[in-house]
Amino acid sequence: EVQLVESGGGLVQPGGSLRLSCAASGFPFSNYWMNWGRQAPGKGLEWVANMKQDGSEINYVESVKGRFTISRDNAKNSLYLQMNSLRAEDTAVYYCARGGVLHGFDVWGQGIMVTVSS
Amino acid sequence: QSALTQPPSASGSRGQSVTISCTGTSSDVGGYNYVSWYQQHPGKAPKLMIYEVSKRPSGVPDRFSGAKSGNTASLTVSGLQAEDEADYFCSSYAGRINPYVFGTGTKVTVL
Repeated sequence: EVQLVESGGGLVQPGGSLRLSCAASGFPFSNYWMNWGRQAPGKGLEWVANMKQDGSEINYVESVKGRFTISRDNAKNSLYLQMNSLRAEDTAVYYCARGGVLHGFDVWGQGIMVTVSS
Repeated sequence: QSALTQPPSASGSRGQSVTISCTGTSSDVGGYNYVSWYQQHPGKAPKLMIYEVSKRPSGVPDRFSGAKSGNTASLTVSGLQAEDEADYFCSSYAGRINPYVFGTGTKVTVL
C-alpha cells in the first residue's frame, strides 16, 4: 500500500524550531518529487516546499524562505521539514505529498498539527 | 502570489450536476495546462481528483470532469452523490519561482 506518514508536530513557542518527518512506503521514494503543504485551521491549502528526486532542485513559498529547510534521505525513504523562527501564522496541519503526476500531488499523508503559541 | 479564486459554496440535489470555477491569471491557470483538483472531507487529507486540467487518476469516477478556458478552470461533478459532499480545492503550476498556488476552496453541499 502506498503510504505517507508524518510525525514531529506539536506545540512550540514563537521563535522556536520543529522538525517534521514523513515516512514513505509502498513505492520507490527516490523516483518522485516530494512536497510539503499546509492548511491553517479553517483555511485553504498552501504549498510550502518541494524537492527533486536527487535533491538537486528545491523550491519554497516566499513566506518561509530563510526559515524552513526541506531535505530527504532516499536510503531511509524519508522527507523532512526543518522549521526555524516559527511564527503564529505558521500554525497549521502540515501534509507531506508525492508529486506523482505532472505538477500535481497524487498521494497525501494524514497530516500533522503544528501549533505556534506562547 | 495570490490564491486562485473559487466560490465559497456550491450545491445541487442528488443526481444533478454542480460546476465549480477556479479563476487565476495568465501567470498560473492561463499560462499552463497544469490545473489539479482535490477533494477533502472534514478532518481528512486531500485526494487528487483531476490533474493536467482534465485527466482523472485511476479510481476516480468519470462523474468528475475538468476543463479550462483562458484564466478560469472548472470542475464539474455530474450525478451528485451524498459522498461528493466535501471541500474542493483547485491548484495550478505557476512557474519556477513560486511553483504552486491553491484555490480558496469551495464547499459542495448535496441537497
